[in-house]
Amino acid sequence: KAGVTQTPRYLIKTRGQQVTLSCSPISGHRSVSWYQQTPGQGLQFLFEYFSETQRNKGNFPGRFSGRQFSNSRSEMNVSTLELGDSALYLCASSPGTAANYGYTFGSGTRLTVV
Amino acid sequence: DQQVKQNSPSLSVQEGRISILNCDYTNSMFDYFLWYKKYPAEGPTFLISISSIKDKNEDGRFTVFLNKSAKHLSLHIVPSQPGDSAVYFCAARIYGQNFVFGPGTRLSVLP
Repeated sequence: KAGVTQTPRYLIKTRGQQVTLSCSPISGHRSVSWYQQTPGQGLQFLFEYFSETQRNKGNFPGRFSGRQFSNSRSEMNVSTLELGDSALYLCASSPGTAANYGYTFGSGTRLTVV
Repeated sequence: DQQVKQNSPSLSVQEGRISILNCDYTNSMFDYFLWYKKYPAEGPTFLISISSIKDKNEDGRFTVFLNKSAKHLSLHIVPSQPGDSAVYFCAARIYGQNFVFGPGTRLSVLP
């Protein structure tokens, strides 16, 4: 079966712009979590959505937001981009809430802010 | 405050020998632990897990050990193969909350 699909794979944006990243989870998975990976920092949790509701949120500024649609697809938005937002953004899906089942990750979207 | 630590950024091991990757945590409420492997340009893939009620879990060449009193877990890979060269992340969770990941250890298996 198809894995977790993230689009686009690569993105270059200018400071101050906004960006929207997309994630399609594995069919049947209802939970989608987003993580930011930067060198030396590991994976930092952004938020989790389950059945269109945000269940958990990490310690990121309000410029980072997300949503989940009725088909479980999720989008993440970052407004007023800063250079420090350059990172690999990973989406992960899970059959139930991620806390119970663990994750299957997508390949990520590499965002570069210039 | 980093709750999950992987103090070795990198590790090199000869092919056929044992690789031992270490992970320390600070929160005694963590009840479930995972190891993920990540190749460049790919997302992390699940390797092995362990519940806090166990001290060992084995799956083929991979074994995870948990020492709750020391708040330490380790991943053993025996024998190591060149294809095991990747970044390894450990992750931990408190029941009902999301997983917290360590910063990763880059393993290089030398032929």
